[in-house]
Amino acid sequence: GAVVSQHPSWVICKSGTSVKIECRSLDFQATTMFWYRQFPKQSLMLMATSNEGSKATYEQGVEKDKFLINHASLTLSTLTVTSAHPEDSSFYICSAVTQETQYFGPGTRLLVL
Amino acid sequence: GENVEQHPSTLSVQEGDSAVIKCTYSDSASNYFPWYKQELGKGPQLIIDIRSNVGEKKDQRIAVTLNKTAKHFSLHITETQPEDSAVYFCAARGTSYDKVIFGPGTSLSVIP
Repeated sequence: GAVVSQHPSWVICKSGTSVKIECRSLDFQATTMFWYRQFPKQSLMLMATSNEGSKATYEQGVEKDKFLINHASLTLSTLTVTSAHPEDSSFYICSAVTQETQYFGPGTRLLVL
Repeated sequence: GENVEQHPSTLSVQEGDSAVIKCTYSDSASNYFPWYKQELGKGPQLIIDIRSNVGEKKDQRIAVTLNKTAKHFSLHITETQPEDSAVYFCAARGTSYDKVIFGPGTSLSVIP
């Protein structure tokens, strides 16, 4: 199957700082990528749809000014958590579509102290 | 919007037995139903999928069935092994670039 990578795999930061997470499609081009958030023992919740060359589409209840998404190329989307707070601590997972199938990255665990 | 329900939330089976996970969806326009396996601390891994023009699909020990009329789909794992222990998510999607909506997940434990 297709490979999606994320970097970093985990990050610890102080409250108030910003954190950037990268999502890359390694062996295919993706005009659309998705960002999910997962809390412990819960399902994946879609945060936003990232479209190459245009603005991201955010799900209801997700603050677009707090979770900045940039899809600058066909293989890279970034999620920046601005002014992170402890409640933003979570597992962030991206995915990309190729040949009508959605593949997921390995996730990034964020801990905000 | 789409809503996916999944049962049971937890499932324990003896090694070698079968495991069945059932899901329902609400949006009749959904036409693609993937199943993902997630191990602790990792991203979801696609294990099998089915499209609405197919009623059943099998891949070795894993099979999925779809009843579009009833909006039900199920995952069947036969001859379970300890390495099958994980959280399994069903999901539903409309067109190729629509968002995938996940069910709440089933934690499967295979007891040696």
